[in-house]
Amino acid sequence: GAVVSQHPSRVICKSGTSVKIECRSLDFQATTMFWYRQFPKQSLMLMATSNEGSKATYEQGVEKDKFLINHASLTLSTLTVTSAHPEDSSFYICSARAGAETSNTGELFFGEGSRLTVL
Amino acid sequence: QKEVEQDPGPLSVPEGAIVSLNCTYSNSAFQYFMWYRQYSRKGPELLMYTYSSGNKEDGRFTAQVDKSSKYISLFIRDSQPSDSATYLCAMTGGHRLAFGKGNQVVVIP
Repeated sequence: GAVVSQHPSRVICKSGTSVKIECRSLDFQATTMFWYRQFPKQSLMLMATSNEGSKATYEQGVEKDKFLINHASLTLSTLTVTSAHPEDSSFYICSARAGAETSNTGELFFGEGSRLTVL
Repeated sequence: QKEVEQDPGPLSVPEGAIVSLNCTYSNSAFQYFMWYRQYSRKGPELLMYTYSSGNKEDGRFTAQVDKSSKYISLFIRDSQPSDSATYLCAMTGGHRLAFGKGNQVVVIP
């Protein structure tokens, strides 16, 4: 099946620094990728939808200046947590949609997630 | 009312039993329904993907969708300890995805 690779899987950083997380679709092109946060014992929370070649669409309440998303190619999207603070510590997961480029109903595959700890 | 409701559990069953999970939803625009399995500290893994109403079977897993009742189910037959995980339902009618809270399943050897 389609594989989505996420890197790094774990990152620890100091408060105030920026952290970049990569999401790659390894064997398919994904015009749309999604970024989520997951807090313990809670469901995935959609943060933003990343569209190749255009600006990301952020969900209500998500600061776009804090969570910078760049979808530079059909196989790579990055999420940068700028000026990270301890409350940003979370599990960040990306997903990519496989299927026809014009379809928004293709199967969705997830990365393994990146655990961010901000000290 | 939340868009997707899923009882978080936990649900404990003995090995070999049938696991029954379900979600209800309120948005009639949803047409695509998915079940994901998530092991601790891992990303969700797609298990089943169903379009509209009906049943879909894959090995020990069966997914059912009843759009008239806005109700979806996942059944796991002959459950194994390796099935112990959190199971998330998800659905979409287009661009936006909606997830359930996840249901923690523990299969006891």
